[in-house]
Amino acid sequence: ETGVTQSPTHLIKTRGQQVTLRCSSQSGHNTVSWYQQALGQGPQFIFQYYREEENGRGNFPPRFSGLQFPNYSSELNVNALELDDSALYLCASRMIPSGRAKSYEQYFGPGTRLTVT
Amino acid sequence: QKEVEQNSGPLSVPEGAIASLNCTYSDRGSQSFFWYRQYSGKSPELIMFIYSNGDKEDGRFTAQLNKASQYVSLLIRDSQPSDSATYLCAVNNNDMRFGAGTRLTVKP
Repeated sequence: ETGVTQSPTHLIKTRGQQVTLRCSSQSGHNTVSWYQQALGQGPQFIFQYYREEENGRGNFPPRFSGLQFPNYSSELNVNALELDDSALYLCASRMIPSGRAKSYEQYFGPGTRLTVT
Repeated sequence: QKEVEQNSGPLSVPEGAIASLNCTYSDRGSQSFFWYRQYSGKSPELIMFIYSNGDKEDGRFTAQLNKASQYVSLLIRDSQPSDSATYLCAVNNNDMRFGAGTRLTVKP
């Protein structure tokens, strides 16, 4: 157990709909990242939040958006769902100490399996 | 060029053998390097991380880093059938980027 939780576990949506996925970070972690993992592929970086601000984004369109809350929990929102959005969505948390550039190990939640029909 | 590249596999080794997994990365500014293991249908599990050039050993696992060559590897000694999984290499600068993974099968 990593202490990172995600909800829901599975989700089925229709093309064009919107979805919100949730993540609760490991206690003490101030950074959360979201990934999309298609079948047979490695996780693709969507974006990262550090102290409630987005501080890194991968090659995903603006219809992928997120939030991080003061308790370091997080949401991933996807608008106008497309069939290709079907994937495992992973949340990962880590601790970045203040004033230091070096990053530390990151721990994943169990993921949310999204199916778009 | 992909940011993080892994040998495509699949890799098959007999039980008790050494499994060698390789990874190269393109960003010379990368500071930390990770190996994750992912069983089918599960999320990635961190098994090793390395920040400095050289070797780092943890039980049956050894991570090797060569920043000049932009190369990181994972050796698994005395491979067990339970090691059969996909191994993901991840490289971090400000955010973490993953390779596509190498599928390892350890045959009894």
